[in-house]
Amino acid sequence: GENVEQHPSTLSVQEGDSAVIKCTYSDSASNYFPWYKQELGKRPQLIIDIRSNVGEKKDQRIAVTLNKTAKHFSLHITETQPEDSAVYFCAASAGRDDKIIFGKGTRLHILP
Amino acid sequence: EPEVTQTPSHQVTQMGQEVILRCVPISNHLYFYWYRQILGQKVEFLVSFYNNEISEKSEIFDDQFSVERPDGSNFTLKIRSTKLEDSAMYFCASSVRGQGHYEQYFGPGTRLTVT
Repeated sequence: GENVEQHPSTLSVQEGDSAVIKCTYSDSASNYFPWYKQELGKRPQLIIDIRSNVGEKKDQRIAVTLNKTAKHFSLHITETQPEDSAVYFCAASAGRDDKIIFGKGTRLHILP
Repeated sequence: EPEVTQTPSHQVTQMGQEVILRCVPISNHLYFYWYRQILGQKVEFLVSFYNNEISEKSEIFDDQFSVERPDGSNFTLKIRSTKLEDSAMYFCASSVRGQGHYEQYFGPGTRLTVT
C-alpha cells in the first residue's frame, strides 16, 4: 500500500522567511496530493492540492511542486506570518474515490 | 458553505463499552470516510463507504468496528467493545463524485477517551 514520508518533523522559521516541507510517496498509482493545515484541536483543513498531470501550483503565498518521476512533492510557504504556525500534513491518494494516506506531519513555528 | 458535522464533540467511555460516533456528511456527497488521529500523531484511514457498503478498510478497522448509514443522512461508526488504545480523535469525511472532484471535506472530529 501507499506510504508517505514527510520531513522535517519540526520547522522553525523567522517571520517573513520561507518554509519548505518535503514529502515522498511510494505508490506510482497515486495521482492526487493534498496538503492540510491543522491547528491544535481542529480538523485538517485543505490548503492546496495538486494532481499528477501538473508539476506546480501556486495560490498566493503557497506553492506546491510535484516530481512524479522521483515521487517527491513539496510545499513552499513564502513571507511567513504568525498565523502560519500549525501542523502541516502532506498526503497522497490514488483517485477521487480513494482513501487519503497522510504523512506524519510537520510542526511549523513562525518566530517573531 | 455546507460542512460535515459530527456528534458528540467529546465522548468519554469505559473500556469494554460500545460507542457510536455520528456524522452528517454534506448532502450531495456520495463517498464517506472515517479517519482517526491518536494525539500527536498522523491522521490514519479507517474505512471508506459508498452505495451502502464498505469500499475499503484498513488493518485498524477490525471486527470491533462497524459503519452504517441508517437513514440516508447520518453516517455512524460503532466500536463494539472499546479498548484504551481506541482513544483518539475520529474524523468523518465526505466527497462528491464527479469528474475532477477529489477533495474530501473533514468534519470537526469526535474526541474519544477510553478510561
